[in-house]
Amino acid sequence: RKEVEQDPGPFNVPEGATVAFNCTYSNSASQSFFWYRQDCRKEPKLLMSVYSSGNEDGRFTAQLNRASQYISLLIRDSKLSDSATYLCVVKKPGRRALTFGSGTRLQVQP
Amino acid sequence: DTAVSQTPKYLVTQMGNDKSIKCEQNLGHDTMYWYKQDSKKFLKIMFSYNNKELIINETVPNRFSPKSPDKAHLNLHINSLELGDSAVYFCASSLRQGGYEQYFGPGTRLTVT
Repeated sequence: RKEVEQDPGPFNVPEGATVAFNCTYSNSASQSFFWYRQDCRKEPKLLMSVYSSGNEDGRFTAQLNRASQYISLLIRDSKLSDSATYLCVVKKPGRRALTFGSGTRLQVQP
Repeated sequence: DTAVSQTPKYLVTQMGNDKSIKCEQNLGHDTMYWYKQDSKKFLKIMFSYNNKELIINETVPNRFSPKSPDKAHLNLHINSLELGDSAVYFCASSLRQGGYEQYFGPGTRLTVT
């Protein structure tokens, strides 16, 4: 089982739609969780952290479900500019490095 | 005002050659990283330096050798390039080791023919 698993997509949604992605992680002791965004042929950038109590930033909401070992990202009122690959990132205890998922591709269509 | 810069952006070379990629950050961060992103888009950590000290050295062929002359620079030298080395190599930095907010450079697209 991969350490961090994501549905590669693509998720094709119309502008204004609400879309959600999940990401599962294998190590139950994982401590910290994040979503990064990577535009086509660009570098990854931090989108938001995922806290135990959930985290909301404008149209973006991130949730953590420790019991089922997954995190989610919800995007409301999708914009064309939201088209990108969303990378799930996990920090495991005792590891200095972050573990990146392979990403979920979102394509918002006019 | 590029925060993390890499050179070159594109590198096309033949098998067996030796090449270097350079990275510089002007953010005053202590920690720098090298990642490899393959065709399946997995971003894998290769090395990390904290204030010029190697702190992460993943299972990477010893043909790959990082060097950090100072905390603002991290270079990657690759000997005897192989076809499987073709990938995008990203440099990144964070304020301190273990920092989850990492700032990435634009990437170096390496193609080995």
